[in-house]
Amino acid sequence: DTGVSQDPRHKITKRGQNVTFRCDPISEHNRLYWYRQTLGQGPEFLTYFQNEAQLEKSRLLSDRFSAERPKGSFSTLEIQRTEQGDSAMYLCASSRDGDQPQHFGDGTRLSIL
Amino acid sequence: AQSVTQPDIHITVSEGASLELRCNYSYGATPYLFWYVQSPGQGLQLLLKYFSGDTLVQGIKGFEAEFKRSQSSFNLRKPSVHWSDAAEYFCAVGLNNDMRFGAGTRLTVKP
Repeated sequence: DTGVSQDPRHKITKRGQNVTFRCDPISEHNRLYWYRQTLGQGPEFLTYFQNEAQLEKSRLLSDRFSAERPKGSFSTLEIQRTEQGDSAMYLCASSRDGDQPQHFGDGTRLSIL
Repeated sequence: AQSVTQPDIHITVSEGASLELRCNYSYGATPYLFWYVQSPGQGLQLLLKYFSGDTLVQGIKGFEAEFKRSQSSFNLRKPSVHWSDAAEYFCAVGLNNDMRFGAGTRLTVKP
């Protein structure tokens, strides 16, 4: 069990640029979740996958946000045309199935200049 | 609407003192309940979970939590706090992949 891995740890970009984050879940975990965490708040659920199927995406913050998990292993979260308000920590978590606890990565901190 | 409330934004305790962090939830059914801890710049680490059964659950690092259905609460306790326990603590409730987190309680430990 090597844990959930996220890359990069930090991303600084100019407003209007596109960014992509990667998450590698624990290898035997079927479920993969993305969250956003702003300063002083708990994580806010964005979307999740069961294997390669994205089963919930209505809570993605806008149509500028999209996520993929093409082969049911790693996942990417993309934000297009970044805005100041996108500055946050983006957390990935995985679990064996929906009834098991989620294990979190260390997150990607996004800063928009 | 589903919600999780952690009434205490910040708590300070002396090392060796006991600790209780409060969590209340509002949910249509009895959800799964969790406590996570987060150190600065890190992800969340699971301390303990309640799914069903015994309402007093034991977790890692000497933490425990008690589920009280009548009060919709799931408070976290530790009998003797260590300096390394200083961190942010999050209560979370989940049912059918709808995981909701409280805003967190920041714990400061005085020497």
